[in-house]
Amino acid sequence: DAGVTQSPTHLIKTRGQQVTLRCSPISGHKSVSWYQQVLGQGPQFIFQYYEKEERGRGNFPDRFSARQFPNYSSELNVNALLLGDSALYLCASSLVGGYTFGSGTRLTVV
Amino acid sequence: DAKTTQPNSMESNEEEPVHLPCNHSTISGTDYIHWYRQLPSQGPEYVIHGLTSNVNNRMASLAIAEDRKSSTLILHRATLRDAAVYYCILLIYNQGGKLIFGQGTELSVKP
Repeated sequence: DAGVTQSPTHLIKTRGQQVTLRCSPISGHKSVSWYQQVLGQGPQFIFQYYEKEERGRGNFPDRFSARQFPNYSSELNVNALLLGDSALYLCASSLVGGYTFGSGTRLTVV
Repeated sequence: DAKTTQPNSMESNEEEPVHLPCNHSTISGTDYIHWYRQLPSQGPEYVIHGLTSNVNNRMASLAIAEDRKSSTLILHRATLRDAAVYYCILLIYNQGGKLIFGQGTELSVKP
């Protein structure tokens, strides 16, 4: 069975640019969450979507946005990138109970 | 916001039990306690979760204090493959089920 798939795995962007990260959940999972993990720290909650509706938002600026599509896949967009946005971005899907995480997208802002 | 507190690192010998502690004194009645572990360059992997009662599964056991302000993850026989960062997490049920991660405990296992 395919797990949670994230793309791309790595990318490098310049300050001020915009980036879109993609996530495909496990088949049948209707909830998708996004987390940011800065090096050496635990992941921090950014967004959660369920059935295409936003169910939760973490303490992140409006430069961060997300959406969920009818097939339950999701995109995370970050505008006006800052050096501090460099991190591993994790997507997790869930049905009931435990969450399954993807391997993440490593974003480097230079 | 609720938070968890864990030791930064712990060391264990192979094939010995490991007890990983976690404090979550600000937990509310509907918050679940989750444990995940993470290897380098991978996403966190689910280990176990519970609400009030102790829980067992094939990977580990979770012991929850009666007042729910602390919990302990128990690996019964550590193997080299158990070396990872272990996160004690609160699932905030009344905020859509978001996970609040702590700083994690880096577990090293000596052969």
